[in-house]
Amino acid sequence: EIVLTQSPGTLSLSPGERATLSCRASQSIGWQYLAWYQQKPGQAPRLLIYGALSRATGIPDRFSGSGSGTDFTLTISRLEPEDFALYYCQQYGSSPPGITFGGGTKVEIK
Amino acid sequence: QVQLVQSGAEVKKPGASVKVSCTASGYTFTGYYIHWVRQAPGQGLEWVGWVNPKSGGTNFAQKFEGRVTMTRDTSISTASMELTSLTSDDAAVYYCARGVAAGYSFGLPTYFYFDFWGRGTLVSVSS
Repeated sequence: EIVLTQSPGTLSLSPGERATLSCRASQSIGWQYLAWYQQKPGQAPRLLIYGALSRATGIPDRFSGSGSGTDFTLTISRLEPEDFALYYCQQYGSSPPGITFGGGTKVEIK
Repeated sequence: QVQLVQSGAEVKKPGASVKVSCTASGYTFTGYYIHWVRQAPGQGLEWVGWVNPKSGGTNFAQKFEGRVTMTRDTSISTASMELTSLTSDDAAVYYCARGVAAGYSFGLPTYFYFDFWGRGTLVSVSS
C-alpha cells in the first residue's frame, strides 16, 4: 500500500508569498502518477496538477508541480487571496488498496 | 460543459442502506469511468471505488467490498452507489468524480486521476 504523507499540516503565509507543499510517498510512484487538488470549505476538490507536472485546464501558472519517485512538491509562486484553501495529493492507484490521498495541507492567511 | 449532478442529502439509521446518484452531462457518459470518493466531517478524502459506464464493471477499495454496489444507467447518463449496513463511520459527503485513465494494467484502465467532480451528497447516519 502506498501511503502519502503531506507536510506541513498547516502553512501560514501572507498574500504574495511563495507556498511550498510536500507530498512524500512510502514507495516509488511510477510514471509520475500523482495529482494535486485544491478544496475550499463546502466545495468539491478541484484538479490542479496531474502527472506530477502538468497543470489542469484553466489553472493559473502560479501553480506548479514537480518531483518524481517518492518526493513531490506543489508550489504556488505568489499567493492570491483565493489560494487559501486545503490541498491534497493523490496517487493514481496501486492494488491494493487502489487510489489513495494524502492527509492534506491547509494554507491559511498569516 | 462537463457537469456531474448528485442527488440530495440523506439521513439514515444505523444498519440501513443509502443510494446516491450522479447524473453526467456535457460529455460522452460511456467514455469515462465514474469514481466515488467520500469525506467524513473534518477529514480527508477516501476513495470508495469505480464503475465503468460502458460495461458496468466495478472495482472497490477493499474495505468496502461486500457492502457497496455501483451501477449505471446509460439511458439517463447516471451512475449510482449503494452502501449497506451503515454505521456512524459512514457519515460523510460522498462525491462522484470523472476518472481520467492514465495507465493500464493487463489491458484494463487501472490508474486514474479526477478532472471533474460532483458537488457532493451529505449522508448522515443517526439513530
